[in-house]
Amino acid sequence: EAEVAQSPRYKITEKSQAVAFWCDPISGHATLYWYRQILGQGPELLVQFQDESVVDDSQLPKDRFSAERLKGVDSTLKIQPAELGDSAMYLCASSATGGKAYNEQFFGPGTRLTVL
Amino acid sequence: GEDVEQSLFLSVREGDSSVINCTYTDSSSTYLYWYKQEPGAGLQLLTYIFSNMDMKQDQRLTVLLNKKDKHLSLRIADTQTGDSAIYFCASVPGSSNTGKLIFGQGTTLQVKP
Repeated sequence: EAEVAQSPRYKITEKSQAVAFWCDPISGHATLYWYRQILGQGPELLVQFQDESVVDDSQLPKDRFSAERLKGVDSTLKIQPAELGDSAMYLCASSATGGKAYNEQFFGPGTRLTVL
Repeated sequence: GEDVEQSLFLSVREGDSSVINCTYTDSSSTYLYWYKQEPGAGLQLLTYIFSNMDMKQDQRLTVLLNKKDKHLSLRIADTQTGDSAIYFCASVPGSSNTGKLIFGQGTTLQVKP
C-alpha cells in the first residue's frame, strides 16, 4: 500500500541550529501539505503545495521557515535558526487533488523535533 | 477565522458505544472530517460528511451533523481496545479555495477492558 514517507523520524537539535525535514508523498499526488502539531493540539497547516507552487503559506513563519518542492514531487521543510518553541511533530500529507471538494489527505508518520 | 472545539478526554468500557463531540464556528463549512491518530503515528482518515447531510453511517461509525447548532459527533459502536487513540474533527471553511483543514485539539479516547 502506498504511503507518505518522512525522514528523519526524530530530530534533536540545539537552538539557533538549522534543521531540515524531508517528505516523499504518494506517487501521483499533486498536493502536498506540511503541518505542525504541538503536543496536545491538533495539526496546523504551515504550507500547501499544488505541484511545485505554493498555494497557502499564510501560517508559515517566513523569517525562519522555508519549504520547497522543486520538481513537484518530494519536499523539504527547513528551519533556520531553530527556537525552543519549534519543538513539535512535523507532519507531511498528500492528496490526489486540492480544492474544497472531498479531499482525502494521507499523512506520513511525522518527524518529532526537540529543540534544546 | 474558523475555530473547531472538542472535549479533551473520553473513557468508556469495551463493548460500550463512544460518542465524541465537536463544534465549529463557520456555518458555511463544506466538508467535515474525522481523523484518528495512534501514539507516535500520523493521522488516518476515518470518515467524513458533506454539509448537506445530517447523518452518515459506515460500519461501526455513525456521524451526525447538526448544522443549526454547528455540532458534529462521531459515534463508535461496540468500542474495542484497539479504538484507543486521539480523534480529531476537522472542517473545511467555506471561504477556502484550497481545501485547507482546520483541526480541533483532539479527543483522547480511552477504552478499558
